[in-house]
Formats: sequence, structure tokens, C-alpha cells
Amino acid sequence: GAGVSQSPRYKVAKRGQDVALRCDPISGHVSLFWYQQALGQGPEFLTYFQNEAQLDKSGLPSDRFFAERPEGSVSTLKIQRTQQEDSAVYLCASSLGGSNEQFFGPGTRLTVL
Amino acid sequence: GQQLNQSPQSMFIQEGEDVSMNCTSSSIFNTWLWYKQDPGEGPVLLIALYKAGELTSNGRLTAQFGITRKDSFLNISASIPSDVGIYFCAGHNNDMRFGAGTRLTVKP
Repeated sequence: GAGVSQSPRYKVAKRGQDVALRCDPISGHVSLFWYQQALGQGPEFLTYFQNEAQLDKSGLPSDRFFAERPEGSVSTLKIQRTQQEDSAVYLCASSLGGSNEQFFGPGTRLTVL
Repeated sequence: GQQLNQSPQSMFIQEGEDVSMNCTSSSIFNTWLWYKQDPGEGPVLLIALYKAGELTSNGRLTAQFGITRKDSFLNISASIPSDVGIYFCAGHNNDMRFGAGTRLTVKP
């Protein structure tokens, strides 16, 4: 497709389970970003990749959060030992290198019970 | 947490009315952007502003990058029902910071 895609769109996990969220950026986009959006709030930055290099992970809330982009295209955000406060929409965005204009995917809504 | 203060939090207007919302920050940003988010979807870029004082239009939308680089506003003229949604301002330096959003409701 032409836009950023994310899967799954919805994920329900029991507390303590590990989850993996996938992002397919727009083809040719060098930069990829992950955001966490709590209900009623704006997105909050988690981490940033340029190609396969993770250049900024300052927004990851704890060491239970891990992201990778091994071939510089598809990215996976992994959350280990999920907790209820991890419930949120996780958004992925991509942009051309050097551009501030980020294009967002539809998000994955994670609910931790 | 959020560094941007966006107001108003919500607006209820009649179709055809003009809308104005703004965003302020204690920090300077090099780029200001405005996004719209519909339920169950990701934010969609409306306008990007790159220079202090810049005024940019996109159809019925007009946005300005404040001279101090610490604020921006978005105007929507002659609102229509499909303008309903949540509008976010975002400031960009090394990373992107978002406001908490303005929820717009348009009554036909």
C-alpha cells in the first residue's frame, strides 16, 4: 500500500505477557518513529530510527520496551512483561530523510488486562 | 510529558462558522506542524511551517508560525461536518512534541 501500515490493529494481552507490534513504513522512507498515545492525549515520542540505526530511544519508558529495524524497513516494537499502564495506542510514523513531515500509520491499540 | 499548551481543549460550532485554535510553548521550535486525527486512525498532516512569521494556507486551513517561535495558530474557515476530529499541534527540534489536542465538533 501507499501509506504506513501497522499490525495488529488491536491487541489484548494479559498482564505479564510479551507483545510485538509491527510497522511497515512508506517505501523509501529512511526515518521511522514510534509514539505512544494515551487516551485523550497527544502522541508521545518513544524512539527513532534512521535506516537500521536506532538514533534516539530516550522516550522508551522502561527497559521492558525494545524496538528494532534490522534491515532498515519494517520495524517491531516489543514490550516485555506488559503492565496495565502500557495500555495505549502505539503509533508508527515514517518520513523521508531530512524531512520533519512524518506520515502516521493507523496505530495498534494495546489493552493490558 | 507534553511541553506544548494547546487551546481550546474542545469546541462546539455550527457548520459554516470559522474556527481558531492555538498552541504555545516555553521552548523554541524550528518547525511547527498541525495534524488532524479521526477516531481509530493515525494523525494526518495538514500544514507544516518552517520559518518564524510564516503564514501558510491549505484550502480552508491557514496556519502561522509565531515570530517568537514559541507559538502557532490554526484557523479553519467556513467549517463543514467532515472537519470534525481532533487537531494536534506539534513542534519539532530533534524530536516531535505534541499538544494534547483540540476536539472539534461541527453541528450541521
